[in-house]
Amino acid sequence: SAVISQKPSRDICQRGTSLTIQCQVDSQVTMMFWYRQQPGQSLTLIATANQGSEATYESGFVIDKFPISRPNLTFSTLTVSNMSPEDSSIYLCSAPPGTSGSGETQYFGPGTRLLVL
Amino acid sequence: AQSVTQLGSHVSVSEGALVLLRCNYSSSVPPYLFWYVQYPNQGLQLLLKYTTGATLVKGINGFEAEFKKSETSFHLTKPSAHMSDAAEYFCALNTGGFKTIFGAGTRLFVKA
Repeated sequence: SAVISQKPSRDICQRGTSLTIQCQVDSQVTMMFWYRQQPGQSLTLIATANQGSEATYESGFVIDKFPISRPNLTFSTLTVSNMSPEDSSIYLCSAPPGTSGSGETQYFGPGTRLLVL
Repeated sequence: AQSVTQLGSHVSVSEGALVLLRCNYSSSVPPYLFWYVQYPNQGLQLLLKYTTGATLVKGINGFEAEFKKSETSFHLTKPSAHMSDAAEYFCALNTGGFKTIFGAGTRLFVKA
């Protein structure tokens, strides 16, 4: 298993500003994922963060808006840039502990609850 | 294309009653199926998963789910609901590789 922590747990931000969310895993993992969960909605994958390479973004998400860093095998950051009220969501990071992918359980952080005014 | 459909965005049961949360999937290849639970102000945690083998899967907290290929279903059940089961439940699908598709979620309410 993996224990994942996120900082901050919540924040209230002004539009036009940026927020960086940190995700720390207690063991080395190959892949880390960033999800957005809008109010009352399911999870939408933003991007996959690989150590040592550029993040892979899903359709509808771009690097300029959601830059991601993955400096090592236990840590990643997601920045929400030039925020607007539409960015108000829960942002979750997750990681599967293994390397095969298929059928792997994903472990989730507790989420960062962001409110943009 | 793969997809997950959860029938019912809200389910309400009385304490002690049967819990049944429905999940249907679409996949062109054998799927791996998961149920995750999200308690208020927390991340998701795994309840149970089906990969291969026995189609009746037992999970934590007394939950179980049965993989029915002919019905493309993976419904979640618990014989007797407890107040602490009130949460959001997500069915999820993985068909190989790391990408997982989540259903829209079902919020379970438990009445005293």
